[in-house]
This record gives sequence, structure tokens and C-alpha cells, in this order.
Amino acid sequence: GQNIDQPTEMTATEGAIVQINCTYQTSGFNGLFWYQQHAGEAPTFLSYNVLDGLEEKGRFSSFLSRSKGYSYLLLKELQMKDSASYLCAVMDSNYQLIWGAGTKLIIKP
Amino acid sequence: TAGITQAPTSQILAAGRSMTLRCTQDMRHNAMYWYRQDLGLGLRLIHYSNTAGTTGKGEVPDGYSVSRANTDDFPLTLASAVPSQTSVYFCASSVSGITDTQYFGPGTRLTVL
Repeated sequence: GQNIDQPTEMTATEGAIVQINCTYQTSGFNGLFWYQQHAGEAPTFLSYNVLDGLEEKGRFSSFLSRSKGYSYLLLKELQMKDSASYLCAVMDSNYQLIWGAGTKLIIKP
Repeated sequence: TAGITQAPTSQILAAGRSMTLRCTQDMRHNAMYWYRQDLGLGLRLIHYSNTAGTTGKGEVPDGYSVSRANTDDFPLTLASAVPSQTSVYFCASSVSGITDTQYFGPGTRLTVL
């Protein structure tokens, strides 16, 4: 079966750095997405990786290793507004997105 | 810019009743999707449409039907609601059905009693 694993919850301090990991086992691979979802709101796109390596976008970076079935989202200079759930999703061989359950990130002052 | 709109925002429905959740996008995206999101689970695809006039089944299609008469609208119908269909429903769209970013509507919170 297809599976996406992420930690359920993480806590970090304002101004610090946090890394959210995602491991996946899917039938085929056509890219990995990270989305942010604030409580009660819709998911919004953060990043897309299809090749190995690090993609940096401001305070957020996303890394992919296809051979290891592994990705992480790195958030720097954490702000209170970063408190949200972070969803990892992999596009499989049928071009359908398989979603992880999400990691709830709690930022403390 | 509206993007994607969904209606209603929330609804309480008696079991056995039918209901249509509405979704409209103004981005002229070809592909549209319906997901449900339940606590502790990832988003699960119910149905999708890669282009107007075509639809396909996702991971959890049973009890739901969709139509795609035009590019903008993608309604989701529950013919006879059951309590297990209590969930938050998100509609999404993307430029094409391939590796494009999906953009989500605000969601509909449905409770079936």
C-alpha cells in the first residue's frame, strides 16, 4: 500500500529553527509537495520538489532524497504565525496526490 | 480575485437526506478535485475531473457522485447521507491534472446526524 509518515506534533520556540520530516512509500513518484494549513482554513502551497536536493524559498526550505523516500521542511526564524499543520503529499504514478496526516507545529514565545 | 468558492460553509444534515456541495473556480483551471479531511487522517481524494466533461474516482468514492458540465463548476452530491460522511470537504483545482500545484477552497464542514 501507499504510505506517508510525518510526526503528529512538534513544538518549537519563536525565533528558532525546526525541521519537519516526511517519509513515503508510494507506487511511483512524480514529485513531493508541502502545504501549510492553519486551523479551520484551507491548505496553501509551500513547495514542490521533484529532483533530489534542497529548494530554498525565504524562511522555508524543502529537501528531497528520492532514493531514501525522504523529505524535510525546514522553517527558520520561527514566527508565531507559523503555528499551523504542515502537510506532506506525494504524487504517485497515476498523478494522484497521496497525503500524510500532517504535522501540527506549535510555536511558543 | 475569488479563486475557489465553496457553499455552504457548514451544514447539519439528517441521515438519509441528499445534499449537494457546490464548488466554483474562476481561474480557468482544467482539473478539479474533491477531498475529505478527517481528524488524524490525511486528505483523501473522493472524485476528480481532469477536464470539463470527464470525471474519475479517487480513493473513497462510495456514496458520492460528481459532474463537470463546464470548466468552472464541480458539484459533489451525497445521495443518501450517512454519519460516516461527517467530515470537512475541500474542493481544489489545478491548471492541469499532472504535476501542478493544487489550490484549495475554504471547505465545507458537514455533520450527518
